[in-house]
Amino acid sequence: GENVEQHPSTLSVQEGDSAVIKCTYSDSASNYFPWYKQELGKRPQLIIDIRSNVGEKKDQRIAVTLNKTAKHFSLHITETQPEDSAVYFCAAPPGGSYIPTFGRGTSLIVHP
Amino acid sequence: DTAVSQTPKYLVTQMGNDKSIKCEQNLGHDTMYWYKQDSKKFLKIMFSYNNKELIINETVPNRFSPKSPDKAHLNLHINSLELGDSAVYFCASSQDGADTQYFGPGTRLTVL
Repeated sequence: GENVEQHPSTLSVQEGDSAVIKCTYSDSASNYFPWYKQELGKRPQLIIDIRSNVGEKKDQRIAVTLNKTAKHFSLHITETQPEDSAVYFCAAPPGGSYIPTFGRGTSLIVHP
Repeated sequence: DTAVSQTPKYLVTQMGNDKSIKCEQNLGHDTMYWYKQDSKKFLKIMFSYNNKELIINETVPNRFSPKSPDKAHLNLHINSLELGDSAVYFCASSQDGADTQYFGPGTRLTVL
């Protein structure tokens, strides 16, 4: 089955700095790569996603890059703000499967 | 409009009891899921239902049983509750396996 590794498990930055979270996956048939944000006590919610036909997607301060050859994708957050503090999950559902495969999460802490 | 709802939000019960958590989605999605999130924040997939058919069943105890009366509902029944069952349980839905998942607000289960 699909194996998704996410790093780092914890990331601490100063407000205004950039943050990068990386995920690797094993199934070359995977073609959809979402990122979810979970604030304390809340549900996970999609913040950005990318499909395998593009290499990068940007939405204001967040961006996702995908390297299908190397089987990794990354979340980039620029100009971090305290409200960005949350747990971030990547996912890489195996191609043609209903088995959702999530990374183990990254706890991002943005210090004012 | 609430996309994915689940009840109750909190559930406190004694060891050995039987309990149920209900989930409903009004998005018209074909696939619904149940996840367990423990104190370490890992999202563990428990069950996935596609068009009322069980797609996957991870290594969860058979004390847990999903029941889907129709495509919009996926309830979780838990028999003989144990201390280790204490966690937050999330219901989710998506159009298919390679698509955005929409999570319910979560049910915090505490077994005493």
